[in-house]
Amino acid sequence: NAGVMQNPRHLVRRRGQEARLRCSPMKGHSHVYWYRQLPEEGLKFMVYLQKENIIDESGMPKERFSAEFPKEGPSILRIQQVVRGDSAAYFCASSPRAYNEQFFGPGTRLTVL
Amino acid sequence: GENVEQHPSTLSVQEGDSAVIKCTYSDSASNYFPWYKQELGKRPQLIIDIRSNVGEKKDQRIAVTLNKTAKHFSLHITETQPEDSAVYFCAASSETSYDKVIFGPGTSLSVIP
Repeated sequence: NAGVMQNPRHLVRRRGQEARLRCSPMKGHSHVYWYRQLPEEGLKFMVYLQKENIIDESGMPKERFSAEFPKEGPSILRIQQVVRGDSAAYFCASSPRAYNEQFFGPGTRLTVL
Repeated sequence: GENVEQHPSTLSVQEGDSAVIKCTYSDSASNYFPWYKQELGKRPQLIIDIRSNVGEKKDQRIAVTLNKTAKHFSLHITETQPEDSAVYFCAASSETSYDKVIFGPGTSLSVIP
């Protein structure tokens, strides 16, 4: 059973471009979480999704950010019109159910020039 | 919403000594408390978790205690080794927060050989 996969591992974008981050959860996991981590800081919750549903997006900025977890395929975190402040490591995690261990992916390190 | 605080932010111990990290949470409905370890440049990984129906849990050199009345929980690492050096995050989760996990800011532990 492969672990949580994220791609790309590193992403460089210029200001104003779009960034698409992908997360494939572990097999059998229907809960996906996205976190943002700035250098030497903690993990900030962004959004919690189950298949085809956004359960909680209270940690996600209202503008430019969106997330989805379609019936087929990976979960996508999309950042439109990126700014330098979006530079961070974005981790996704999956779990088979609530109140359960979250398994983290290797992260995507986004750099905005 | 839930707020998790963590102390100390940095901790340095001699190899073989014990390390203690303390966390407090604000939501009295929280009932799941995981601890994650993140080595430099790596993904966070669960090291131990505790649910609100128990007060203590131990796994080899690692133990976690929970005081629901005071809303605080602690991580204890005994006989520390250099490979224990990492950032440790506590977290809390509750049904009222749609099961999302809120992380503390992290403790950077250095074990000096």
